[in-house]
Amino acid sequence: GAGVSQSPSNKVTEKGKDVELRCDPISGHTALYWYRQSLGQGLEFLIYFQGNSAPDKSGLPSDRFSAERTGGSVSTLTIQRTQQEDSAVYLCASSPGLGADTQYFGPGTRLTVL
Amino acid sequence: GEDVEQSLFLSVREGDSSVINCTYTDSSSTYLYWYKQEPGAGLQLLTYIFSNMDMKQDQRLTVLLNKKDKHLSLRIADTQTGDSAIYFCAESHGSSNTGKLIFGQGTTLQVKP
Repeated sequence: GAGVSQSPSNKVTEKGKDVELRCDPISGHTALYWYRQSLGQGLEFLIYFQGNSAPDKSGLPSDRFSAERTGGSVSTLTIQRTQQEDSAVYLCASSPGLGADTQYFGPGTRLTVL
Repeated sequence: GEDVEQSLFLSVREGDSSVINCTYTDSSSTYLYWYKQEPGAGLQLLTYIFSNMDMKQDQRLTVLLNKKDKHLSLRIADTQTGDSAIYFCAESHGSSNTGKLIFGQGTTLQVKP
């Protein structure tokens, strides 16, 4: 596609429910990154993928968070048993490769946990 | 660990120059970036500089890097109201070269007509 797309753009859920956030990277980009933007914490790295594997999961806040990537393309970030502190904008970025390649960001998914 | 810091707010008049400052701690950073975020939009890469450079100019944008002091700045010449946005400084996680970005808190630039 023309750019990185994310869905849904907005998600409101109740505390304790599971949510899935989707990222469609730019076609052909092998690297994919998830970040979280919240008022208290700013922009934080969550996880990145090179192809379908995730060498660095160090930014995932807890074991309620998981992510997968299939076919070297679409990625899904899943948050189980959501808590109010999970409310944030979740941003996805892709780049042609690792290292210094420019990361292109999607518009984000705004998650609100009531 | 890595840390990137920015001032939170800057207000300028249209036509003036804006200078947004950033400091970082990771001496192994290889690339430093400036991103712009407009309301309701994703992050847009404005420019980046390799750590062995001192300065990079791109039209109205000038990036200065003082590697000794770990200080990065972004100068916007002839600032316009359309430049109003949040500006994020970021460093790549140089030691692992994964491309993982560490961001500052963002500087809100307000441009008054």
